[in-house]
Amino acid sequence: DAGITQSPRHKVTETGTPVTLRCHQTENHRYMYWYRQDPGHGLRLIHYSYGVKDTDKGEVSDGYSVSRSKTEDFLLTLESATSSQTSVYFCAIRPGQERNSPLHFGNGTRLTVT
Amino acid sequence: DQQVKQNSPSLSVQEGRISILNCDYTNSMFDYFLWYKKYPAEGPTFLISISSIKDKNEDGRFTVFLNKSAKHLSLHIVPSQPGDSAVYFCAAPSGAGSYQLTFGKGTKLSVIP
Repeated sequence: DAGITQSPRHKVTETGTPVTLRCHQTENHRYMYWYRQDPGHGLRLIHYSYGVKDTDKGEVSDGYSVSRSKTEDFLLTLESATSSQTSVYFCAIRPGQERNSPLHFGNGTRLTVT
Repeated sequence: DQQVKQNSPSLSVQEGRISILNCDYTNSMFDYFLWYKKYPAEGPTFLISISSIKDKNEDGRFTVFLNKSAKHLSLHIVPSQPGDSAVYFCAAPSGAGSYQLTFGKGTKLSVIP
């Protein structure tokens, strides 16, 4: 599992509530990513981080914020969850230094917003 | 605007036969491509990659072919096995510094015993 732990694995929440998903890595890799997977859309990048306190937006960042106060943890927050944010969320790390090195993914968090 | 396209949502193949999964891209600046495999309830796992300086890369039963002039790549699985049944994603490094990874929508492969 490349030393990646996502928590929680499943969550059901109500529209309008805040939600935070956690990604924890056991190694000090610089790059971390949050993706969402939806039927008909594949994997889409939400935000990524290239170091502590260094983050940038991805393709579908609206409605999401992230924080990285420690190398090992990358948090994804939905400030006010909406039904359109029902999805499976994957965290990934980049173990290699080269830009072409593959990403390694966690096993995902399934979020349902009712 | 999709930069990496997988136009076949699904593919069914008999066990032992060849599976061919296709991927097209629009950005001629892409110079590296990766294939990922995903089982239900698991994260995607890296399968094989190819650099644009090559037109073929092989790893066991898996071979990826790249046709730069057509902006097309394909993943061949020979022989296909039931355990190969999964969703396959094509991806390319993108964004500032190319440290992001842009994925296609995926193709669900079903290998029928």
